[in-house]
Amino acid sequence: KNEVEQSPQNLTAQEGEFITINCSYSVGISALHWLQQHPGGGIVSLFMLSSGKKKHGRLIATINIQEKHSSLHITASHPRDSAVYICAVATNRDDKIIFGKGTRLHILP
Amino acid sequence: NAGVTQTPKFRVLKTGQSMTLLCAQDMNHEYMYWYRQDPGMGLRLIHYSVGEGTTAKGEVPDGYNVSRLKKQNFLLGLESAAPSQTSVYFCASKTTTNEQFFGPGTRLTVL
Repeated sequence: KNEVEQSPQNLTAQEGEFITINCSYSVGISALHWLQQHPGGGIVSLFMLSSGKKKHGRLIATINIQEKHSSLHITASHPRDSAVYICAVATNRDDKIIFGKGTRLHILP
Repeated sequence: NAGVTQTPKFRVLKTGQSMTLLCAQDMNHEYMYWYRQDPGMGLRLIHYSVGEGTTAKGEVPDGYNVSRLKKQNFLLGLESAAPSQTSVYFCASKTTTNEQFFGPGTRLTVL
């Protein structure tokens, strides 16, 4: 079983819909990251969380340390939000980052 | 600051050829990482370094070597390229508080 699991793997939605992407992990962490990658593009860090909730524009990230679960929400989704969203955790046992396999999001106009 | 840069951006090799990918960061970060990204596999760690002069193996180190002679540079070498090494390679650096910065990637094709 992967130490970082994301769901769903693929998501297609209409413009304007509220989007939720989930991440569950099974290791002790010091931080959790949400990353964005557009097709053929580089990887951009959206959020780094160790507790609670963060908001940036239409994006909201939450984390529940006790349940080992994080969610990324996109409000009023737009076709430019179409990308792969990757959850990654910095473990508290070593210096490595463990990545989920990503969620491919496609927003239809 | 240029952040994390990678050279080259694209490369095509023939089986058996060698090459070196260069990653450079100007943020004085101690931690640097080389990942490969393949369809359906996510990012997998090849090698990493926790400081100048140190390197360690990651999840998929076979066929690769690395060096960190200077703090700002992390080199990834392929001594004898194989088609299985066709991938997109990302370098990243990390602060001691776990902020990550990624390079733009190198797309490598081995024929």
